[in-house]
Amino acid sequence: ETGVTQTPRHLVMGMTNKKSLKCEQHLGHNAMYWYKQSAKKPLELMFVYNFKEQTENNSVPSRFSPECPNSSHLFLHLHTLQPEDSALYLCASSQGEGGRDIQYFGAGTRLSVL
Amino acid sequence: EDQVTQSPEALRLQEGESSSLNCSYTVSGLRGLFWYRQDPGKGPEFLFTLYSAGEEKEKERLKATLTKKESFLHITAPKPEDSATYLCAVQARRNTDKLIFGTGTRLQVFP
Repeated sequence: ETGVTQTPRHLVMGMTNKKSLKCEQHLGHNAMYWYKQSAKKPLELMFVYNFKEQTENNSVPSRFSPECPNSSHLFLHLHTLQPEDSALYLCASSQGEGGRDIQYFGAGTRLSVL
Repeated sequence: EDQVTQSPEALRLQEGESSSLNCSYTVSGLRGLFWYRQDPGKGPEFLFTLYSAGEEKEKERLKATLTKKESFLHITAPKPEDSATYLCAVQARRNTDKLIFGTGTRLQVFP
């Protein structure tokens, strides 16, 4: 148990579906992150929220829409995805004070887009 | 451009056979270098952070070192349970929100 919980663990969706990924952290952190992990590629940072404010959007397509209602919860809303969006989506959290800041990861959601 | 390169891509070791993983980096103003372990079907698990050249950290059979251009993860007398993918990431001073990851080294340790 890492303190960062992601649901669902697995998701299969069609290109016209709308779904959401959920992340919850129990570590008292103030920063939360979404990453995409594809085979043979480095982890790609997608979004960063510090104290509920989005501070980074790494040129992510608009079919991915993040939401951070409070410091403990983070969502990634998905719509009209493409097959190349199939990947492991990882959520992470950190204290959010910047500087020497360790990010702790959840187990991820394995997404398959048909 | 900030970049992290890990080698080898894959490594097979006999139990007890010590070896090292390499992480070469290019970053404008290093804030910290991070090592993570990732098991199949799981998220990365934090191992170490190194902040300045010459720094070393140890945990059980693992020892991480840092120079101005690269980091090594030394594995002494590995066991099969050390099998995993090891990820290296750097954090730049100008953007401490962002970790830049390498593609990882997949380590397999056979009994």
